[in-house]
Amino acid sequence: GAVVSQHPSRVICKSGTSVKIECRSLDFQATTMFWYRQFPKQSLMLMATSNEGSKATYEQGVEKDKFLINHASLTLSTLTVTSAHPEDSSFYICSARLTGGSGNTIYFGEGSWLTVV
Amino acid sequence: DAKTTQPNSMESNEEEPVHLPCNHSTISGTDYIHWYRQLPSQGPEYVIHGLTSNVNNRMASLAIAEDRKSSTLILHRATLRDAAVYYCILRRGNDMRFGAGTRLTVKP
Repeated sequence: GAVVSQHPSRVICKSGTSVKIECRSLDFQATTMFWYRQFPKQSLMLMATSNEGSKATYEQGVEKDKFLINHASLTLSTLTVTSAHPEDSSFYICSARLTGGSGNTIYFGEGSWLTVV
Repeated sequence: DAKTTQPNSMESNEEEPVHLPCNHSTISGTDYIHWYRQLPSQGPEYVIHGLTSNVNNRMASLAIAEDRKSSTLILHRATLRDAAVYYCILRRGNDMRFGAGTRLTVKP
């Protein structure tokens, strides 16, 4: 299947700083990418949908000024957690939609662990 | 958004078939049925998807009820590596939301 890669896989940052997570579609172009957050022993929660060249659409309850999403190219979306706090510590997962074919399959990255200390 | 209902957990013996059920009684005509699985500390892995007809691939088979209100993911011979949380998801356009999934345990 298609490959989606995230970087970094793990990051530790100090409280109050910002951290950026990258999501790349390695072998296909993705006009639409998605960001999820997952807390331990819980399911994935959709944070936002990003479309290349336009503003992201955030889910209710997700602060767009805190979680900045940029989708500047067809193969790269970034999530920046600004002024991070310990409660932002979580597993962040991106996905990208492979258009065309049957059903437009969505592929997920490996996830990025964020720990805010 | 249409929701799915799955058992919280299931157990299987290694080398035996596994049938993972999913109910989606409020499915609409344009919703695709997707299955993903997730291992601890990894992103979800695509397993299979379908719309109306049954589907087969190298990983699994997907049996879709005639009224589309339920589906079953079939792993033909479970291995220890198939132990994971399996998510049945309805996708409508770009909308794809995860439920709680089924935790599959495979016993040797």
